Amino acid sequence: GAVVSQHPSRVICKSGTSVKIECRSLDFQATTMFWYRQFPKQSLMLMATSNEGSKATYEQGVEKDKFLINHASLTLSTLTVTSAHPEDSSFYICSARVGASHTEAFFGQGTRLTVV
Amino acid sequence: AQSVAQPEDQVNVAEGNPLTVKCTYSVSGNPYLFWYVQYPNRGLQFLLKYITGDNLVKGSYGFEAEFNKSQTSFHLKKPSALVSDSALYFCAVRDYGSGNTGKLIFGQGTTLQVKP
Repeated sequence: GAVVSQHPSRVICKSGTSVKIECRSLDFQATTMFWYRQFPKQSLMLMATSNEGSKATYEQGVEKDKFLINHASLTLSTLTVTSAHPEDSSFYICSARVGASHTEAFFGQGTRLTVV
Repeated sequence: AQSVAQPEDQVNVAEGNPLTVKCTYSVSGNPYLFWYVQYPNRGLQFLLKYITGDNLVKGSYGFEAEFNKSQTSFHLKKPSALVSDSALYFCAVRDYGSGNTGKLIFGQGTTLQVKP
C-alpha cells in the first residue's frame, strides 16, 4: 500500500512553546490529508481536513489558531501546535488517501506529544 | 446522522480459535466500510474494505469481513486467531456529509486480546 510518513514520532516540549509535526505522502500525491487526535484507548477524533493550496477545514470545537495546518504541496502537510499546554499532550495521527473518496486512507505512524 | 458502533470494548479469544469483532453502521447512502488495526503507539494499518460486490471481503493477515445490508453490519472475522493479532481494531465508514473529501467516521474501537 501507499506510505504516509509522520515526523517526529515522539516530541517533548515546554509549555508555551510551539511544535511542528510533518506528514508526508512518500509515493503518491495527496490533495487532501486528515489530522486526528487520539486519547489513550480511545477512538480517533478528527481535528481538521488539510487541503493542498487552500485553508484547512476544522472540525467543530478545534481552535484553528492553536492548531495551525499548512498543506503547501501535494506531498506535505504540517500541524503546528502553538503555545502548547500540558492538556495538548496526546497522540496525533495524520492520514491521506490515494485517489477517489471511496478508497482507503493510509495513516502515518503517529506523533506522541508530551508538553511539560 | 451517520455513525459506526463497535458494541464490544474488548474481545478475548484463545489462540487458534475463531474470532469476531463486531461493527454496525448507519449511513445515508451506499456504505463504504473499512477495518483498521492499531498496535500500541502506532498509526492505523488498513485491513480491508467493502465498496461493492461480494459480501465477504478478504483482507490482510488472514482477516475477512462480512457485509450484511439487512443487519447493517460489517463484522471482522478470522478463522484462527494468533497472539500477534492482539491489538486495537477500528471499524470506519465514509462520511457522506463531508462532500467528496472521503472523511471517515470511526467506531470507538475494540481491543482484541488473544491468549496463548
